[in-house]
Amino acid sequence: GNSVTQMEGPVTLSEEAFLTINCTYTATGYPSLFWYVQYPGEGLQLLLKATKADDKGSNKGFEATYRKETTSFHLEKGSVQVSDSAVYFCALRLNQAGTALIFGKGTTLSVSS
Amino acid sequence: NAGVTQTPKFRVLKTGQSMTLLCAQDMNHEYMYWYRQDPGMGLRLIHYSVGEGTTAKGEVPDGYNVSRLKKQNFLLGLESAAPSQTSVYFCASSDRGETQYFGPGTRLLVL
Repeated sequence: GNSVTQMEGPVTLSEEAFLTINCTYTATGYPSLFWYVQYPGEGLQLLLKATKADDKGSNKGFEATYRKETTSFHLEKGSVQVSDSAVYFCALRLNQAGTALIFGKGTTLSVSS
Repeated sequence: NAGVTQTPKFRVLKTGQSMTLLCAQDMNHEYMYWYRQDPGMGLRLIHYSVGEGTTAKGEVPDGYNVSRLKKQNFLLGLESAAPSQTSVYFCASSDRGETQYFGPGTRLLVL
């Protein structure tokens, strides 16, 4: 079936460290891929997305590249800040009208100063 | 433009009680979704709607019902609450199935 697997957390980093959160997927066809972020006590916000192979999504210093050959969409940031502390969800959506998102289990990131 | 709003923010129920969670969006989106979020499980789809008057089951629909009488509203009902329904519930909406916009969530505790 269709699924998303992301690395277990929590991930604990010091400010200005490099961040990678791994995400791989299994899907029929060619899904769109997303990273959502959830700050404490809030709902999910779209961080970035990519809709086809080799696309790179980017936002707020975060990047992820849609790799069809490795079925991956790893999230990276060159220098994290304390304000990046949150839960990060990788998700896919099959390209059929109205289909919902399929989420990974989430990765908690904690950044200390 | 409030986006997606959810009512209530927090509720405590006793086993067997009923309640309705309300989701409203002001973006004129066709598609609306209800998810539940449980620790270590990510978000799982309960029900969704592709337009006014339509609803469909998601991954975990048992124990829930939904209605979409108006395009801007999507209601989630629990007829007889169970402790297993203790969770955080998120509503989302999207236009033609593209980027989904989420509400702030409703925390439900069933005792």
